[in-house]
Amino acid sequence: AQSVAQPEDQVNVAEGNPLTVKCTYSVSGNPYLFWYVQYPNRGLQFLLKYITGDNLVKGSYGFEAEFNKSQTSFHLKKPSALVSDSALYFCAVRDWDTDKLIFGTGTRLQVFP
Amino acid sequence: GAVVSQHPSRVICKSGTSVKIECRSLDFQATTMFWYRQFPKQSLMLMATSNEGSKATYEQGVEKDKFLINHASLTLSTLTVTSAHPEDSSFYICSAADRSLNQPQHFGDGTRLSIL
Repeated sequence: AQSVAQPEDQVNVAEGNPLTVKCTYSVSGNPYLFWYVQYPNRGLQFLLKYITGDNLVKGSYGFEAEFNKSQTSFHLKKPSALVSDSALYFCAVRDWDTDKLIFGTGTRLQVFP
Repeated sequence: GAVVSQHPSRVICKSGTSVKIECRSLDFQATTMFWYRQFPKQSLMLMATSNEGSKATYEQGVEKDKFLINHASLTLSTLTVTSAHPEDSSFYICSAADRSLNQPQHFGDGTRLSIL
């Protein structure tokens, strides 16, 4: 069965500092990985995805994610955090057969001014 | 970019009422739509998957007679919560994708359902 894990419930970072939100995956076959962000009382917004190719994927709002096959990780990163980045972040893996997304439990990012 | 519109954004109604939630893909054809439920401070729980023109596939534990899903066109899917009760109160989110284009799922803004 495919799954993703987000080991941190919350990440706190000061504005201007780099941020990392962690995600590890467990899949059979090639992973198809996503990051989404959710603001309060809103749906999810797509940030980026990885299927194949470069291990460093660039996405929306200055976010990027690094695919690491040996560590089965897909951590979300941003060089300089903004207060407006404060939100709930979900890592997900897509099931190739059903197109279902299997979500992690989410990580709340809090960026302090 | 791909836009998914979900309506209404908030519903407050009495117990026993049936509530319909609409999910529309505005600028692409959604061959597949998904309905999720999200409890406070929790992740999304997939309720069902619907493909245009066919019956929805429900996840284990989701009552199909309680949560009626219709995907009659490539741009519209509806979720009807029948005879809603307070325990049905939740945040419901739809998503849509064009499977032929191998798109990521694009999400609506969700519907906050409160049953009194």
